[in-house]
Amino acid sequence: DAKTTQPTSMDCAEGRAANLPCNHSTISGNEYVYWYRQIHSQGPQYIIHGLKNNETNEMASLIITEDRKSSTLILPHATLRDTAVYYCIVRVYAYSGAGSYQLTFGKGTKLSVIP
Amino acid sequence: DTGVSQNPRHKITKRGQNVTFRCDPISEHNRLYWYRQTLGQGPEFLTYFQNEAQLEKSRLLSDRFSAERPKGSFSTLEIQRTEQGDSAMYLCASSFSGGRNTEAFFGQGTRLTVV
Repeated sequence: DAKTTQPTSMDCAEGRAANLPCNHSTISGNEYVYWYRQIHSQGPQYIIHGLKNNETNEMASLIITEDRKSSTLILPHATLRDTAVYYCIVRVYAYSGAGSYQLTFGKGTKLSVIP
Repeated sequence: DTGVSQNPRHKITKRGQNVTFRCDPISEHNRLYWYRQTLGQGPEFLTYFQNEAQLEKSRLLSDRFSAERPKGSFSTLEIQRTEQGDSAMYLCASSFSGGRNTEAFFGQGTRLTVV
């Protein structure tokens, strides 16, 4: 799986949008971008994933550049409960009967939402 | 079903003792994963089951580690002759191999301290 680069830490004011960048310049054509987060003392939580189109769900939006070498996770209105470590992972999509679902986590970005 | 359940949440053991952790996945999930997380690092993959078959093992999984999923439901991870370096959070995750939504759901982990 391709390697990702994320800033070590970021701050965001409560109520503002949090934009978390991720570089994945060696991503290959069949690799998806996944985002997970880990709140202190809990297991990682799935947020969103995408291939090349922008994606949105109830938690966040994922913007992937046209060349797919970078992406941004957007939390539209950050709350104190969004304080966590955010992991950007690129991997082949695990569809039915194929491959495994091993996730390769880096150190992620520690997002601190400030009141 | 409230998600992936792991027991115990915390375990303190003396060096050289054996420990066993249990993971109960989400009931319809046929894939189960074990990860290990040390302080300040992202989770690292240990092993993966599809139903009762153990299909992948990381080189991190030394001879002292063994995982089972005898009936394709719950899983156990045993560490024999524990060492101080085994101190970590042990995370279990599960996913479903069919359909579109194959993302992994993680439990809250078992924190092991070897003294």
